[in-house]
Amino acid sequence: QVQLQESGPGLVKPSETLSLTCTVSGYSISSGYYWGWIRHPPGKGLEWIGSMSHSGRTYYSPSLKSRVTMSADTSKNQFSLKLSSVTASDTAVYYCARLSGMAVAWFDPWGQGTLVTVSS
Amino acid sequence: QSVLTQPPSASGTPGQRVTISCSGSSSYIGSNYVYWYQQLPGTAPKLLIYRDNQRPSGVPDRFSGSRSGTSASLAISGLRSEDEADYYCAAWDDSLSGPVFGGGTKLTVL
Repeated sequence: QVQLQESGPGLVKPSETLSLTCTVSGYSISSGYYWGWIRHPPGKGLEWIGSMSHSGRTYYSPSLKSRVTMSADTSKNQFSLKLSSVTASDTAVYYCARLSGMAVAWFDPWGQGTLVTVSS
Repeated sequence: QSVLTQPPSASGTPGQRVTISCSGSSSYIGSNYVYWYQQLPGTAPKLLIYRDNQRPSGVPDRFSGSRSGTSASLAISGLRSEDEADYYCAAWDDSLSGPVFGGGTKLTVL
């Protein structure tokens, strides 16, 4: 059974960089699929942040592309998200999920999510 | 404002059938599969319907999906109290080159 778990600071100061890690168990991230980040700001809908292929190719939301970097550490079976120059509008629950291919919105399974608050 | 449009709320009584709509443009719903997610209170979203109308293993057949033109629907029959949750639709957006989501519909079981 594939499971994903997000980890990282729950509080980030404005203008700093948000860093989160997703640890995957039950499947090797280098074996296949795509791996993605989605966030859920309070009172708003879900927003796709970016995805990474099993070979390391990355795809980012155009609205966040200038601030987002995704990477993977296959030795630890983890992939990570960095979002720079954060503001209060980046406050959200951040989820990592497995994406069943390119050009689909098929996310399954999801991590439990982690709340990141941007505040001084 | 979300790319896909959903009603913010829906409600029904136990045993009833309710439908939740999801509308968008030809660059996403019109040309790509629609997916539905259920988010129970305090939990992560869970895949409910994939490729318009397919149910993952373990999802009751009370849940069904359909797509026509630039709209899609999620139907829940035999409504139960445990169906009370937020429901989100999603689709690939050819213009964005990424997935987009609806704003979510909060289902209340009266």
